[in-house]
Amino acid sequence: GQQVMQIPQYQHVQEGEDFTTYCNSSTTLSNIQWYKQRPGGHPVFLIQLVKSGEVKKQKRLTFQFGEAKKNSSLHITATQTTDVGTYFCAGQRGLNAGGTSYGKLTFGQGTILTVHP
Amino acid sequence: DAGITQSPRHKVTETGTPVTLRCHQTENHRYMYWYRQDPGHGLRLIHYSYGVKDTDKGEVSDGYSVSRSKTEDFLLTLESATSSQTSVYFCAISPGANWNSPLHFGNGTRLTVT
Repeated sequence: GQQVMQIPQYQHVQEGEDFTTYCNSSTTLSNIQWYKQRPGGHPVFLIQLVKSGEVKKQKRLTFQFGEAKKNSSLHITATQTTDVGTYFCAGQRGLNAGGTSYGKLTFGQGTILTVHP
Repeated sequence: DAGITQSPRHKVTETGTPVTLRCHQTENHRYMYWYRQDPGHGLRLIHYSYGVKDTDKGEVSDGYSVSRSKTEDFLLTLESATSSQTSVYFCAISPGANWNSPLHFGNGTRLTVT
């Protein structure tokens, strides 16, 4: 079945340093989504990438989708303590991939980011 | 968030007992999901629903059943709870009209099976 691998599992940074998490899928994706979960909270949707080679920015966050639509990355510039949490990627296959009306969404294991002030 | 309520928020139960978790939404969205979250595993899909009485299995469905008799309610049942089902359970909805709309999660239910 489809696998989505995310690295690193943990990342500790000093406030002001940059941070990157990487996501790789074993199959070509229809789209990839990124979520953030604060400690004790629930996952919150950040962004969705659909096009090959797509790059999107949200303030200090930059999201990329690979040319082959099998990998993605999230880069945070100049981390702040408010960036603390777990970042998940989730890859979604096309409608026809699973043979059902649902595009299978598979989450990576997540990267836990801690930021030291 | 997005009108999703999960109940209970916390539950401690004994091995072998049945447990039902409830997810309630207020906005009549078609797609609803149950995920479990465990350290090192991310979020794994248990079951999902694409309409009233239309449900299907996810990747970790063994030991779980679901029901959706009304659009607004999606129930997850552990017929006979085991310690391996100790986890945090999240319900999610897909608010968009399309199958690839991103998910909105509820606040979660922390279940402990002793």
